[in-house]
Amino acid sequence: AQSVSQHNHHVILSEAASLELGCNYSYGGTVNLFWYVQYPGQHLQLLLKYFSGDPLVKGIKGFEAEFIKSKFSFNLRKPSVQWSDTAEYFCAVNANRDDKIIFGKGTRLHILP
Amino acid sequence: ETGVTQTPRHLVMGMTNKKSLKCEQHLGHNAMYWYKQSAKKPLELMFVYNFKEQTENNSVPSRFSPECPNSSHLFLHLHTLQPEDSALYLCASSQDLSRGGPPQVSFGSGTRLTVV
Repeated sequence: AQSVSQHNHHVILSEAASLELGCNYSYGGTVNLFWYVQYPGQHLQLLLKYFSGDPLVKGIKGFEAEFIKSKFSFNLRKPSVQWSDTAEYFCAVNANRDDKIIFGKGTRLHILP
Repeated sequence: ETGVTQTPRHLVMGMTNKKSLKCEQHLGHNAMYWYKQSAKKPLELMFVYNFKEQTENNSVPSRFSPECPNSSHLFLHLHTLQPEDSALYLCASSQDLSRGGPPQVSFGSGTRLTVV
């Protein structure tokens, strides 16, 4: 069965700090990987996704994530965070040809102004 | 605006009440989902409908009863809930699952449910 593990439940950073949120998944086959973001009081929205090709994917708002197959990881990064990045971030995996998306527990990111 | 609308945004209900959550999508999608978001737990998939047919019931208690009258509407009927059922219930939709490939999912804003 697929599962997703996000290592950090709550991260607090100052503005301009660099960000890396960890995500590991367990599934032996081909996977599709996602990062979703939920800003306070708003809906879940797609930040970026990996289906195939270049393992370094770029998303909205300066975020990027790198798929490292050997490590079963898909960590989210941003070189310089802003106060408006305060949100909850969810990593998710979907096994190819399967209809389910499995989510991690989420990481609550709080950026200090 | 995501194209997926959920009502109500907030709901407080007693354990003996019966209520329903509504979801409507305007994206032309054919698959719809219910997810449960509880504090400190992974987002949990509850039900999946593809072309109005239920394709997934993720061991959800019978006090949660989904209904999908057409590809644009999805309901979650609630009765005799427990306080631990308090959570954010998210509706989502995606394109036809039988096409294969990864689902591109759009989420609603959720209904914040409190059971007292």
